[in-house]
Amino acid sequence: IAGITQAPTSQILAAGRRMTLRCTQDMRHNAMYWYRQDLGLGLRLIHYSNTAGTTGKGEVPDGYSVSRANTDDFPLTLASAVPSQTSVYFCASSERENTEAFFGQGTRLTVV
Amino acid sequence: AQSVSQHNHHVILSEAASLELGCNYSYGGTVNLFWYVQYPGQHLQLLLKYFSGDPLVKGIKGFEAEFIKSKFSFNLRKPSVQWSDTAEYFCALNTGFQKLVFGTGTRLLVSP
Repeated sequence: IAGITQAPTSQILAAGRRMTLRCTQDMRHNAMYWYRQDLGLGLRLIHYSNTAGTTGKGEVPDGYSVSRANTDDFPLTLASAVPSQTSVYFCASSERENTEAFFGQGTRLTVV
Repeated sequence: AQSVSQHNHHVILSEAASLELGCNYSYGGTVNLFWYVQYPGQHLQLLLKYFSGDPLVKGIKGFEAEFIKSKFSFNLRKPSVQWSDTAEYFCALNTGFQKLVFGTGTRLLVSP
């Protein structure tokens, strides 16, 4: 069982470019999340989805969009990347919105 | 709004020393509480969780945490740390309203 798979593992991106970070889970979890991790700030929620077809904004949603067309996939899109979006991005899922979350290996994104 | 505070940003211990990491939360209702660990270069893994019942919960690798409702706390403890416990530790809170909120993390360095 793979759990949560994120791609790519790392990426260097020119400012202004569009980028989609991929996240796939095989646990049939209802809820999925995107976090960014920055030194000294911990993990901050970007967007979440409680079930396929629904999404919601987290703590730091600006500059990011998500979609949840099916249970397994939850891509995160940066429409026009800026250097402040340099971070490590973690996708996570949970069976329901109030149970523990399982995390992917992360995507290290550098915007130059 | 719910929030989580971890007051110890960096902790340095010698092997066999006892560990206690503080975690306080802000929310007046029912909470689910978690401790996650992130070993260097890896993703977050669940150490333990509290949903209800016995306020003293035991997790993996000899860790335990005590939920004290009157103090809004969920401190993590381990009687005797090992070098392999060197990692970053995150306390997290879920109130059932869609999102898991994390503290800023505590970096633990255990010297051999």
